Amino acid sequence: DVKVTQSSRYLVKRTGEKVFLECVQDMDHENMFWYRQDPGLGLRLIYFSYDVKMKEKGDIPEGYSVSREKKERFSLILESASTNQTSMYLCASREGSGGMRTFGSGTRLTVV
Amino acid sequence: GDSVTQMEGPVTLSEEAFLTINCTYTATGYPSLFWYVQYPGEGLQLLLKATKADDKGSNKGFEATYRKETTSFHLEKGSVQVSDSAVYFCALSRNTDKLIFGTGTRLQVFP
Repeated sequence: DVKVTQSSRYLVKRTGEKVFLECVQDMDHENMFWYRQDPGLGLRLIYFSYDVKMKEKGDIPEGYSVSREKKERFSLILESASTNQTSMYLCASREGSGGMRTFGSGTRLTVV
Repeated sequence: GDSVTQMEGPVTLSEEAFLTINCTYTATGYPSLFWYVQYPGEGLQLLLKATKADDKGSNKGFEATYRKETTSFHLEKGSVQVSDSAVYFCALSRNTDKLIFGTGTRLQVFP
C-alpha cells in the first residue's frame, strides 16, 4: 500500500514564524497535493505538483509556497504564519493522471 | 463553477439503523463522483466511486448511485456500526487534476 507520511501530527507556531510542513510518499508517485481542511468548508486545494521542481497553484495559494526538490517529498511553506492559517493540513499523492489520491493523516497547525 | 453540497451534520444514529447522507452536485458534463471517509485522527480514504450515470459504487456495506437526472450521489448503508463513526466527504472530479469536496458530514453511531 502507498504510504503518505506527514512529519508532524500537531504543531504550534507563533505569528510571523516561517513554518515548514513536510510530506513524504513511498510509491514513486508523480503527483502530490496540499489541502487545508476547515469546519464547514471541507477540503480546499492549496498547491499541487506534477513532478520534481514543478508546482501549480490551487484554489487558495495566498500566503503559502511549496517546494518539490525530490520526487518523494513535497513541502508546504508558510513564509510568515498568521492566525488565519490555523487549520488541518492534508497531503496527498497520486500515480499518474488517472489514479486515486492517497492521503496522509494530517498536520494540525495552530498559529498563536 | 462546479460544486458539491452535502447535508449538514452531525448525523446521530443508533447501531443497526439505516443511514442516508445526501449529496448533490453542480457540474457540466459527466463528472466522476466519490465518497471519502475520514476516521478520527486519520487522513481521508476513498470509500467508493462512480464514473458514469446509473453506476453504483459500493464498499464495506456502503452504496451510492450516480443519478444524473437529480444530480445526486447519496450515501446509504443498511445497518451502521459504531465503527462507522467518521466524517464523510462527497467529491466530484471533471478532470483528473481537480477534486472538489463537499463540506463533510459527521456521523456518530451509538451502541
